[in-house]
Amino acid sequence: DTGVSQDPRHKITKRGQNVTFRCDPISEHNRLYWYRQTLGQGPEFLTYFQNEAQLEKSRLLSDRFSAERPKGSFSTLEIQRTEQGDSAMYLCASSSPGLGTTGELFFGEGSRLTVL
Amino acid sequence: GENVEQHPSTLSVQEGDSAVIKCTYSDSASNYFPWYKQELGKGPQLIIDIRSNVGEKKDQRIAVTLNKTAKHFSLHITETQPEDSAVYFCAASNGGSQGNLIFGKGTKLSVKP
Repeated sequence: DTGVSQDPRHKITKRGQNVTFRCDPISEHNRLYWYRQTLGQGPEFLTYFQNEAQLEKSRLLSDRFSAERPKGSFSTLEIQRTEQGDSAMYLCASSSPGLGTTGELFFGEGSRLTVL
Repeated sequence: GENVEQHPSTLSVQEGDSAVIKCTYSDSASNYFPWYKQELGKGPQLIIDIRSNVGEKKDQRIAVTLNKTAKHFSLHITETQPEDSAVYFCAASNGGSQGNLIFGKGTKLSVKP
């Protein structure tokens, strides 16, 4: 399977704990995105990387959230001191657009976080 | 920033009928408008997209139209089938940003056999 893979698929944690999600993009894709999706809503943009550089961050990405993409390959999204409001599906996507364009985003199946 | 409104939130049609979902956007600088289909427990999957230099695009039973003046775009599905049942999201590139998409809240389409 050469699609976007995310791990873990499900995570249940207690409020105040830290959690980390991993995303492995399609290998030749240079852009990697993180989105958050709550029930009945569309995906909300969190941040994106061009290779290893984090180029854009949403205001939704509070200082408890940090994302990295070392070496421009896989990415991690860490949430520190989780709150119940962090419960959501965290989606990763990757793309390889042409210069100056927005291309198709290929989404993974998401990591569902439940904060008790 | 960009804001995308989508309606209806739910749509039920009989198999073989057509379905239309409409979206409006706010930022005239947005230039890329994809539509995604999301099935239960899966990530969204692109079904069709259109760029601002084109007014209409068709792919088999699916078509998208774009009216830049009115800032709205629509998804048309003809000859619907039960497997078309899913949640559909429209999206717009965030102004001129190449970095991210702003999604609508989704339309749950149910196709009754």
